[in-house]
Amino acid sequence: DTGVSQDPRHKITKRGQNVTFRCDPISEHNRLYWYRQTLGQGPEFLTYFQNEAQLEKSRLLSDRFSAERPKGSFSTLEIQRTEQGDSAMYLCASSGQIGASSYNEQFFGPGTRLTVL
Amino acid sequence: GEDVEQSLFLSVREGDSSVINCTYTDSSSTYLYWYKQEPGAGLQLLTYIFSNMDMKQDQRLTVLLNKKDKHLSLRIADTQTGDSAIYFCAEKRIYNQGGKLIFGQGTELSVKP
Repeated sequence: DTGVSQDPRHKITKRGQNVTFRCDPISEHNRLYWYRQTLGQGPEFLTYFQNEAQLEKSRLLSDRFSAERPKGSFSTLEIQRTEQGDSAMYLCASSGQIGASSYNEQFFGPGTRLTVL
Repeated sequence: GEDVEQSLFLSVREGDSSVINCTYTDSSSTYLYWYKQEPGAGLQLLTYIFSNMDMKQDQRLTVLLNKKDKHLSLRIADTQTGDSAIYFCAEKRIYNQGGKLIFGQGTELSVKP
């Protein structure tokens, strides 16, 4: 399977705990995005990487959230001191570089559903 | 996505055509997208259209874009029960160099046999 993969698919945690999610983009894609989707809503942009550089962060990304893409391949999203309001589906997407046929396409992974008790 | 609006529900009979509508507010949109989401799953890219086009057809899917009215629609011909899902429209704006997408709330399509 050469699509975007995310791990874990589901995470249940207690309020105040830290959680980390992983995203593996399509291998030749240099751009990677994180979105958050709450029930009944469309995805909302969180942050974006081009290769290993984090180039944009949404105001939704509080200082409890941190994302990395150290080698320009997989990415991790960490949430510290989780709150019940963090419960959502966290989606990762990737797209190709300028000139690639996938430059204007974003392909999504299956998501990680986080439940904070 | 307060800048992208969709009606929340649509119900059709199997074999009929479905038309899902979307309006957006930012005239700098460069590309407009339709995604499909089945329960508990990620988003599947169905099709997209560049803002200087007014129509794109891809098998059973037809996208119409009225740039003057900032209105986008997705027509699904011969709708099947497997088309039941939530459909999201999304826009990419010219000044968002990174290409982030702005999504609508989604339209839940229910196909009755």
